[in-house]
Amino acid sequence: DGGITQSPKYLFRKEGQNVTLSCEQNLNHDAMYWYRQDPGQGLRLIYYSQIVNDFQKGDIAEGYSVSREKKESFPLTVTSAQKNPTAFYLCASGHRSNQPQHFGDGTRLSIL
Amino acid sequence: AQSVTQLDSQVPVFEEAPVELRCNYSSSVSVYLFWYVQYPNQGLQLLLKYLSGSTLVKGINGFEAEFNKSQTSFHLRKPSVHISDTAEYFCAVTAGGGSQGNLIFGKGTKLSVKP
Repeated sequence: DGGITQSPKYLFRKEGQNVTLSCEQNLNHDAMYWYRQDPGQGLRLIYYSQIVNDFQKGDIAEGYSVSREKKESFPLTVTSAQKNPTAFYLCASGHRSNQPQHFGDGTRLSIL
Repeated sequence: AQSVTQLDSQVPVFEEAPVELRCNYSSSVSVYLFWYVQYPNQGLQLLLKYLSGSTLVKGINGFEAEFNKSQTSFHLRKPSVHISDTAEYFCAVTAGGGSQGNLIFGKGTKLSVKP
């Protein structure tokens, strides 16, 4: 079945540590997105990519980094510069930036 | 730029009652509109979308929404809810007509269906 796979489902970060969240899709979508979800805040866009080897900052990119070396993969690194990383992170993909997006099941990141 | 307002953060309702979840948007251009549902600890699932054509859009699980351009609204409705409809619902908007633009999400409405 086609879909988006996020891993791990739960992740714990120590002080000063960088962690990487994985996102893989087999839907042959050009565009991929990372969102951060906090209670009562809706979804906020961190980074997005419309083609391989290109990506743009979203509304809350500070403290995060991404890469897009393959069409299927869009990993997100939460760096030590992100002082409040505890949140639910959602990856999504779509054919174009203004078309419906398909979502993974999310990664919940917590601080140890 | 577009923006979305979901007018109710929580909506409690009894099983088999009708429900309406309200969504208003603002935009200076034509728009595409979406409703997504999120069950606990899961990603978002598309319920329905309005791209063009008929203003009454039917989606999955018996939900429907009506696009009202004059009132800039896209309210979600279901005539009779089930316990299994308990979830968080998100309205989203993006620029339509082939324009480039990302989805803008509302802050969500938590629907709680009680027996």
